[in-house]
Amino acid sequence: KNQVEQSPQSLIILEGKNCTLQCNYTVSPFSNLRWYKQDTGRGPVSLTIMTFSENTKSNGRYTATLDADTKQSSLHITASQLSDSASYICVVSAPNDYKLSFGAGTTVTVRA
Amino acid sequence: GAVVSQHPSRVICKSGTSVKIECRSLDFQATTMFWYRQFPKQSLMLMATSNEGSKATYEQGVEKDKFLINHASLTLSTLTVTSAHPEDSSFYICSASQVWDRGLGGDYNEQFFGPGTRLTVL
Repeated sequence: KNQVEQSPQSLIILEGKNCTLQCNYTVSPFSNLRWYKQDTGRGPVSLTIMTFSENTKSNGRYTATLDADTKQSSLHITASQLSDSASYICVVSAPNDYKLSFGAGTTVTVRA
Repeated sequence: GAVVSQHPSRVICKSGTSVKIECRSLDFQATTMFWYRQFPKQSLMLMATSNEGSKATYEQGVEKDKFLINHASLTLSTLTVTSAHPEDSSFYICSASQVWDRGLGGDYNEQFFGPGTRLTVL
C-alpha cells in the first residue's frame, strides 16, 4: 500500500477559481513533506517544503498546510490561472533517508 | 534554486540499441543522484541511487545490467539503457541531492529534479 495517498485524482476548475488538493501519509517517522508541480513532459518543480514543526508555507498563489498529528497536508491554489494546469505531487521523506515516498499526484486542469 | 539538466530531452531509437542519458547539477555539487522512471499518468518510480565514486544501488526489480549508471563526478551521472526494447519506452527523470541545514527540523536532503528525458524505442 502506498504510504502517500492524494485526492482527488484529477479535477477541473475554471480560471480564477480556488481549489484545494489533499495528501494523507503514513510515513513514520516523518521528516518533511513537499509539494511539487509537474508540467506535462517536464520534471517536478518544488513548490513548498515543510518540516514536522511547520504548519503552513506559501509560495505565491500556492499555500500548503501540514498537520503532523493527523498526517495530512493540503495544497491550496488561489485565483487559478491556465498555467496552473499540471500534476501536483505530494512527497514525504523520513529522517536520514534519501528515498522519497511519492503520491500518485492530482491532475489539475484549469479552463478559461 | 539549484538547477539540474538532462540531455537529451528526447530520444527515439531502434530496438536493440543502447541509449545514454546525462544528468548534471549545474550550480552545486551533488553527492547523491537519483534516477526515476515515470510511465503515463503514474508517479515517479525510483530506479536507483547513485553516489559519486561508488556503485549505484538499484531498487528491487530494476536490472542493473540493463540500466548502467555511472556517477563519475559530483556534477554528472549517466544512465545507459542497454539493448533497449519497446517496453523501456518511458520518461526518465534524474534528481540531484543537496543537504540543507534547516535548523528547525535538522538536516534534510533536498532533491532537485531534471527536466526529464523521453525515450521512445521503436
